[in-house]
Amino acid sequence: EVQLVESGGELVQPGGSLRLSCVASGFTFSSYSLNWIRQAPGKGLEWISYISTSSYTIHYTESVKGRFTISRDNAQNSLSLQMSSLRPEDTAVYYCTRVLGSSRLGYYYMDVWGKGTTVTVSS
Amino acid sequence: SSELTQPPSVSVSPGQTARITCSGEALSKQYGFWYQQKLGQAPVLVIYKDRERPSGIPERISGSKSGTRLTLTISGVQAEDEAEYYCQSADTSASYVVFGGGTKLTVL
Repeated sequence: EVQLVESGGELVQPGGSLRLSCVASGFTFSSYSLNWIRQAPGKGLEWISYISTSSYTIHYTESVKGRFTISRDNAQNSLSLQMSSLRPEDTAVYYCTRVLGSSRLGYYYMDVWGKGTTVTVSS
Repeated sequence: SSELTQPPSVSVSPGQTARITCSGEALSKQYGFWYQQKLGQAPVLVIYKDRERPSGIPERISGSKSGTRLTLTISGVQAEDEAEYYCQSADTSASYVVFGGGTKLTVL
């Protein structure tokens, strides 16, 4: 079964740091690009970061640039998101997703989603 | 512009046809995609490349596109179709992946 399982979400104070992890199974992890998508309470979906298969290409949404770092370990089938200088507006469920498509193809979409991990930034 | 606009809500009676639209300039050049998110669950891809259906998605769910408007159609709506639906496209020059604001489908 193709699966993504996130972990690491918890309550953290503003200005604090947190590392999210995502472990994949059921597919050839190194062959797929990955995204982190988040959803604030009662709000819509927001893409926040992308990493290509070899980690050569990385993108971030503007609001997390300089604070969040995406990385992957293809040997361990794992994806990470290091978050620092956390703000209350970072409070959300964070989803790890498998990406299909590429810049060459001109499209990207997510065909597999994890169940998410909850990050709460509050004092 | 990379914005995608969806109506906040759509309501239909069981057995009727629901149509959810998504508008945006990016759609004239990019494929559109649809995700279904039931309460408390992760999103699920239901339509890709404007009109293709992943395996396991019922045939009564279909997609179409005309110009800058993407449409998700659910025929013979059932109670289990009640969910939030998000459209998505790609802006390769800016935010990379963009989502619409979501549409709450209510089955009356």
